[in-house]
Amino acid sequence: EVQLVESGGGLVKPGGSLRLSCAASGFTFSSYSMNWVRQAPGKGLEWVSSISSSSSYIYYADSVKGRFTISRDNAKNSLYLQMNSLRAEDTAVYYCARERSLSGNDAFDIWGQGTMVTVSS
Amino acid sequence: VIWMTQSPSLLSASTGDRVIISCRMSQGISSYLAWYQQKPGKAPELLIYAASTLQSGVPSRFSGSGSGTDFTLTISCLQSEDFATYYCQQYYSFPPTFGQGTKVEIK
Repeated sequence: EVQLVESGGGLVKPGGSLRLSCAASGFTFSSYSMNWVRQAPGKGLEWVSSISSSSSYIYYADSVKGRFTISRDNAKNSLYLQMNSLRAEDTAVYYCARERSLSGNDAFDIWGQGTMVTVSS
Repeated sequence: VIWMTQSPSLLSASTGDRVIISCRMSQGISSYLAWYQQKPGKAPELLIYAASTLQSGVPSRFSGSGSGTDFTLTISCLQSEDFATYYCQQYYSFPPTFGQGTKVEIK
């Protein structure tokens, strides 16, 4: 079964750090570009970051640039998001999502169940 | 950044109704548009990509159309399991952006 499972969310104080993980299974992880998308409580979807299959291309939303770092370990079939200098407005459910085609720049066809990040003192 | 205007934000409908949701882009994106369905407490699910291609496993009552700047998602005969929030997304250029969402509720 094709599956993505996020972990690492939790409660953190403003200015703190957190590292999210996304474990992939059921497909050739190393062939696909991957993304992080977040959703603040009661709000819509916001793309956060993208990484190509070989980590050659990395992109960030302006709202997280300089604070968040996306990475992947293809040997471990895992995607990561290191989040530093967290702010209250980073509070959200964070989803990892796979791009549909091997060539990248496509819709997101597989999503994890999400992990909640709460930034509060 | 490509801005998207999705409408309506709330749609009240009955089972069996035909429902149309619109998404307008601030600039042309060819057919690089996707539609997602999200139910409360769940992750989004891909319904349509490339503006009009149905994702595998998605019922045929869902259809998408449009290109350039104007797109629509149509549900031909609303079923009880279709009451959810729907989002459009452009992936023509970075950053990929999502519409504000359309909640389809029971009338």
